[in-house]
Amino acid sequence: AQSVTQPDIHITVSEGASLELRCNYSYGATPYLFWYVQSPGQGLQLLLKYFSGDTLVQGIKGFEAEFKRSQSSFNLRKPSVHWSDAAEYFCAVGATSGTYKYIFGTGTRLKVLA
Amino acid sequence: DVKVTQSSRYLVKRTGEKVFLECVQDMDHENMFWYRQDPGLGLRLIYFSYDVKMKEKGDIPEGYSVSREKKERFSLILESASTNQTSMYLCASSFSAGADGYTFGSGTRLTVV
Repeated sequence: AQSVTQPDIHITVSEGASLELRCNYSYGATPYLFWYVQSPGQGLQLLLKYFSGDTLVQGIKGFEAEFKRSQSSFNLRKPSVHWSDAAEYFCAVGATSGTYKYIFGTGTRLKVLA
Repeated sequence: DVKVTQSSRYLVKRTGEKVFLECVQDMDHENMFWYRQDPGLGLRLIYFSYDVKMKEKGDIPEGYSVSREKKERFSLILESASTNQTSMYLCASSFSAGADGYTFGSGTRLTVV
């Protein structure tokens, strides 16, 4: 069965600093991988996704993520954080066959200092 | 712009009431999902549906039921609301292949008093 771990519950960065949010997954093959962002009181918005091809994927709002098969990781990065990036971020993994369900991590809450 | 619409943003209900949460999508998606979100627990799947009139239990179905009479609408029913069902409820939909990701609604924050 697949699983996903986000080891950091909270992260605080200064505006303009770089950001990396960690995501590790467990799955027998290469799964579908996603990052979502949730602003307070809102639903989740898809930032980016990976299912094959180039291991560095670009998303919306200036985010990117890199798939590393050897480390079973899919970390989210942004070179320069803006105050509006303060939100909760969720990594999700989906099986490539047999089910349409995704498994979500428990989330990382990002705080941005002015 | 494609949308998943949840009928209520905030809802307050009394213990023992039957509660209906409605979700409508306009993307012709086959799959629809109901999650609840609680601090520290992330998103937990309650039920999902991969076709009209089809449903499958998720990880925490106890105390809930669902209905999908039309492709675009997926309803979550709390048969007899309890205070431990106070939560944020999120509806999502997707195409059947699963590679495109989910589209989420804005959520319904339900308080049971």
